Amino acid sequence: EVQLVESGGGLVQPGGSLRLSCAASGFTFSNCAMSWVRQAAGKGLEWVSSISGSGSSTYYADSVKGRFTVSRDNSKNTLYLQMSSLRAEDTAVYFCAKVIGDPGVWGQGTLVTVSS
Amino acid sequence: DIQMTQSPSAMSASVGDRVTITCRASQGISNYLAWFQQKPGKVPKRLIYAASTLQSGVPSRFSGSGSGTEFTLTISSLQPEDFATYYCLQHDNYPLTFGGGTKVEIK
Repeated sequence: EVQLVESGGGLVQPGGSLRLSCAASGFTFSNCAMSWVRQAAGKGLEWVSSISGSGSSTYYADSVKGRFTVSRDNSKNTLYLQMSSLRAEDTAVYFCAKVIGDPGVWGQGTLVTVSS
Repeated sequence: DIQMTQSPSAMSASVGDRVTITCRASQGISNYLAWFQQKPGKVPKRLIYAASTLQSGVPSRFSGSGSGTEFTLTISSLQPEDFATYYCLQHDNYPLTFGGGTKVEIK
């Protein structure tokens, strides 16, 4: 079964850091570009970051550039999002997703709340 | 950056209606477009990829068309389980961009 399972969300103070993980299974992870997408409560979907299958290319939304770092460990079939200098406006459900190619698959999401 | 303008932002429709949702790209994106359905509290589900290819397991009442800058998602006969919010996504260029969403509500 094709599956993505996120972990690492939680409550963090403004200016703090958090690392999200996404464990993949059921497909050849190392061949696939992967993405992070977030959704604030009651809002639409916002693309955050993507990484190529090899990890050699990374891409970021302007809203997170310089603060977030995407990476992957293909030996562990795991995707990461290191988030630092967090702001209140980063509060959202963060989804790990394979949005390009087939199969398309999303994780269940992990909630990140930035608040004092 | 490529902007995706989705319309309408919301609509009311009845069971059995034909529903059409449009996404316009600010520049040509070939067929690098996907459509997603999201129900409240649920994970987005991909319906269509490559503009017109139906995702496996998705009912045939859903269809996608278009290329370049204008794309359409059509639901041929709206069913009760189709009331949801729909999003388009372009993946021709980074940054990837979603449309603003279309909420389909019961009339």
